[in-house]
Amino acid sequence: DAGVTQSPTHLIKTRGQQVTLRCSPKSGHDTVSWYQQALGQGPQFIFQYYEEEERQRGNFPDRFSGHQFPNYSSELNVNALLLGDSALYLCASSLVGGGTQYFGPGTRLLVL
Amino acid sequence: DAKTTQPNSMESNEEEPVHLPCNHSTISGTDYIHWYRQLPSQGPEYVIHGLTSNVNNRMASLAIAEDRKSSTLILHRATLRDAAVYYCIPHRQGAQKLVFGQGTRLTINP
Repeated sequence: DAGVTQSPTHLIKTRGQQVTLRCSPKSGHDTVSWYQQALGQGPQFIFQYYEEEERQRGNFPDRFSGHQFPNYSSELNVNALLLGDSALYLCASSLVGGGTQYFGPGTRLLVL
Repeated sequence: DAKTTQPNSMESNEEEPVHLPCNHSTISGTDYIHWYRQLPSQGPEYVIHGLTSNVNNRMASLAIAEDRKSSTLILHRATLRDAAVYYCIPHRQGAQKLVFGQGTRLTINP
């Protein structure tokens, strides 16, 4: 049973560019959440997707957007990258209404 | 969101028990207490959760105070693989987001 997978594992971008990160949920899960983890900090909730719609959003600007596909996989898009967007981006999957979230290994983004 | 307080770091020896404390004095009556841990270079992983009663699973035990304002995660025999950052998270059943604090960085000495 495959767990949560994310791609790419690492990414280097320059300021102003756009980036797309991808996530495949654990088999049987229908809900995907995205988190940003700065160095030395706990993960911060960006947003959650269920039934291809954004259910809840954390305190992140509109430059952060997402999408969920019919197969439950998801993308996180960040436009107009800033140096401060450098972080580990984590995807977590769960069942709708379920408390336990299963995390992927993350994508480490470096913005130069 | 309930605020949590955990020690920044703790240290223990291999094969000894470890007790990781968490204060969550503003927890609501419907919040479960979840514990996750994050091993180096990995995403967080679920450890255990409970509401009022003490809970055990293959990874750990969770002791919850009678007033629910604090809890303790217990690793019965720590191994080097248990070195990680441990997060205590009050979480309402069905809530979308997990709210992570700073966590406790646990170091295990051989």
